[in-house]
Amino acid sequence: DAKTTQPNSMESNEEEPVHLPCNHSTISGTDYIHWYRQLPSQGPEYVIHGLTSNVNNRMASLAIAEDRKSSTLILHRATLRDAAVYYCILRELEGEYGNKLVFGAGTILRVKS
Amino acid sequence: DAGVIQSPRHEVTEMGQEVTLRCKPISGHNSLFWYRQTMMRGLELLIYFNNNVPIDDSGMPEDRFSAKMPNASFSTLKIQPSEPRDSAVYFCASSPHLRTSGKDEQFFGPGTRLTVL
Repeated sequence: DAKTTQPNSMESNEEEPVHLPCNHSTISGTDYIHWYRQLPSQGPEYVIHGLTSNVNNRMASLAIAEDRKSSTLILHRATLRDAAVYYCILRELEGEYGNKLVFGAGTILRVKS
Repeated sequence: DAGVIQSPRHEVTEMGQEVTLRCKPISGHNSLFWYRQTMMRGLELLIYFNNNVPIDDSGMPEDRFSAKMPNASFSTLKIQPSEPRDSAVYFCASSPHLRTSGKDEQFFGPGTRLTVL
């Protein structure tokens, strides 16, 4: 399984940007980088994904290193509702059924008011 | 759309009893996943289906666990007999199937919290 490494926890102040790092040095050329988050007492939810180029959506931005061995999820203005566990996942392809996600321990993000 | 629906939301049972967890995926989604989450092991994929067919059940812990998907709108995860170590939150997720793409996201249900006494 392709592996990712994330810090166990991070802390941020409300209204400030947050940069959540992820290392994936064994990434293969066809692996997509996905980010999910899990709010307290809820199921995980999709945040963003990318392959090679940086990506932006309404929730966050994803910055991918040129060698693809690391990436950073950027929350531009953290709010209390962003406190969650953030998972960086390499999307493994299995033949034509490329659906398998392998969750690691993730990063616990705490947001201070 | 109501999203992925799971029932029951909470289940408390005694060791040795049969437990059935239910999931209704998002309409039109072709892939369905069952996960288990514990403090010790985190989120683990148990099994997933594509077009109602089980594709990978390598995460199913043992023969006491079984999953079925009789049609595109319903799946069950059964534990028989249940044991205290099965206590966990069980999540169901669904995904639209995009062939040969790593892009499709999974939509998770709210989970079923199972406690086996």
